[in-house]
Amino acid sequence: SQQGEEDPQALSIQEGENATMNCSYKTSINNLQWYRQNSGRGLVHLILIRSNEREKHSGRLRVTLDTSKKSSSLLITASRAADTASYFCAVVGGSYIPTFGRGTSLIVHP
Amino acid sequence: SAVISQKPSRDICQRGTSLTIQCQVDSQVTMMFWYRQQPGQSLTLIATANQGSEATYESGFVIDKFPISRPNLTFSTLTVSNMSPEDSSIYLCSVDEGGNEKLFFGSGTQLSVL
Repeated sequence: SQQGEEDPQALSIQEGENATMNCSYKTSINNLQWYRQNSGRGLVHLILIRSNEREKHSGRLRVTLDTSKKSSSLLITASRAADTASYFCAVVGGSYIPTFGRGTSLIVHP
Repeated sequence: SAVISQKPSRDICQRGTSLTIQCQVDSQVTMMFWYRQQPGQSLTLIATANQGSEATYESGFVIDKFPISRPNLTFSTLTVSNMSPEDSSIYLCSVDEGGNEKLFFGSGTQLSVL
């Protein structure tokens, strides 16, 4: 299966701390994406990293990709209470349709 | 970026009835996707809807249970038919605007079946 698997399932931190979430997958990919979901509503695309890229930044977000280990990580620096949400990785293979993992539930305490 | 209006946002339905979910996009898109998210689970793709052709269903999903319409490039509906409590989920429509590989999502429909 192309499905990514996030780790940890849940993460609880204090405001100002960094949050790191990991995603592992099993087959080759074209790209890997991270999404955010607030309170079970629609997902919002955060960042896309292609298979030939190793690291990307967007604001307080940093994504790394290690294709040899078939894993990716999402780092949120200087977290805020408003970052509280579920974060999903989605892997894109030959079908070009993202396949989602179960997500990491992040709680940032003010 | 595409703006997607999905409705209803939530509904509580009786067993055996059907519910139609609508998804309206503010731009023309080729592919629209319908996902299901069961409580605490990942998003599972139900089907891909292309304008002018039959929807393509993923393994485990059939047209009789989840009929989809795609009358034009900005609109689609998903019907959940003959509902049972196991159909209680969040249903999400999404689009891949311009083939840039990232998905835009509607706000979801929270369905509870009693």
